[in-house]
Amino acid sequence: AQRVTQPEKLLSVFKGAPVELKCNYSYSGSPELFWYVQYSRQRLQLLLRHISRESIKGFTADLNKGETSFHLKKPFAQEEDSAMYYCALSTRDDKIIFGKGTRLHILP
Amino acid sequence: EPEVTQTPSHQVTQMGQEVILRCVPISNHLYFYWYRQILGQKVEFLVSFYNNEISEKSEIFDDQFSVERPDGSNFTLKIRSTKLEDSAMYFCASNHRLQADTEAFFGQGTRLTVV
Repeated sequence: AQRVTQPEKLLSVFKGAPVELKCNYSYSGSPELFWYVQYSRQRLQLLLRHISRESIKGFTADLNKGETSFHLKKPFAQEEDSAMYYCALSTRDDKIIFGKGTRLHILP
Repeated sequence: EPEVTQTPSHQVTQMGQEVILRCVPISNHLYFYWYRQILGQKVEFLVSFYNNEISEKSEIFDDQFSVERPDGSNFTLKIRSTKLEDSAMYFCASNHRLQADTEAFFGQGTRLTVV
């Protein structure tokens, strides 16, 4: 079964503290994984994808095939990071499967 | 930066009425999608569209739903007879699959409220 699981609906983190948003997936094959972010009243937009291995806005995510995880991390949270974060998996036939999302709330 | 645009941003309709949600994908994109997000739930795939036909649809996309690309630029989602449970945020997306880039660009969404 193809599935993306984000176990936390809400994560509250103090400004300056490290952030880790968890994502686990289930997919038979080589997955393409993404993190999307939705800031308040804005569109869903791509944050990063595992194939590029880049860091965007200080966020990184490493694909761990052994643990079937793609956790999103940032060493020092900033207030502007408050948003809804969706982990997503792209299938071979171009379907995008999203997790339920985690709301990240940065506390001052 | 090119973007996918959706209209209207909010649509309120009575149960049983037909609604058409409109999307203008990015001009050189070839693949188009509709997703929906019921409040508090995850974003769900509805349908993908390529070369003027549906390439895949989910179990949610039943006979009440249809998609069309009437004029080469707009991509519409029609719900024939709306139900209360159709209330959701509907996202249109497009991408250019001929490139290695698999990123889909999303519109801002249309919030559909069925009363």
